[in-house]
Amino acid sequence: EIVMTQSPATLSLSPGERATLSCRASQRVCSTCLAWYQQKPGQAPRLLIYAASTRATGIPPRFSGSGSGTDFTLTISSLQSEDSAVYYCQHNEGWPWTFGQGTKVEI
Amino acid sequence: QVELVESGGGGVQPGGSLRLSCAGSRISFGTFGIHWVRQAPGKGLEWVSFIRPEGTTLYHEDSVGGRFTVSRDNSKNTVYLQMNSLTDEDTAMYYCVKDNPVLEIWGQGTMVTVSS
Repeated sequence: EIVMTQSPATLSLSPGERATLSCRASQRVCSTCLAWYQQKPGQAPRLLIYAASTRATGIPPRFSGSGSGTDFTLTISSLQSEDSAVYYCQHNEGWPWTFGQGTKVEI
Repeated sequence: QVELVESGGGGVQPGGSLRLSCAGSRISFGTFGIHWVRQAPGKGLEWVSFIRPEGTTLYHEDSVGGRFTVSRDNSKNTVYLQMNSLTDEDTAMYYCVKDNPVLEIWGQGTMVTVSS
């Protein structure tokens, strides 16, 4: 089982600032096998990024993903109040699919 | 786009069983796979199982192997998760999710509480 580790656990920033969230896999993950999800309180998660860097439908361009191998990054270029949420990375490089423990972004 | 609606959650005693349903809104429901993902209260996300369009299934063996069974009835646009021998560690919100091949579209979830 691939273990996904996210850092930091919590990120407290101001509106307009840049957020950088990290995700590290315990073994190499293919470049098309990494996704990011956003979950707001009381809501289901929502797909943000897939294949490490492709935005899902309707996701604003301030969200971007990068990385390869074992290290991946989600960047929110200019934080808005509605970006307060928990963000999860997840791999689909073989079974079982696993998630990171999440990074909480507070604005 | 497709919408997914889960149902069947509720309270159950340890050792009991429950069957969850995931109903899809589109006539092409039988063309895509469905995942089940759960989230214990205040915790992160855990992938549970997957059923392909033709019915092949996969499970998170360490967590639910041998206790959970996923099936589908494409004529009813519905996927089922039969959960047996439930323990308090199965207490969670259960989401069904459309595969594409990431976790593309999520339902709103159904809560399962295992407690005596």
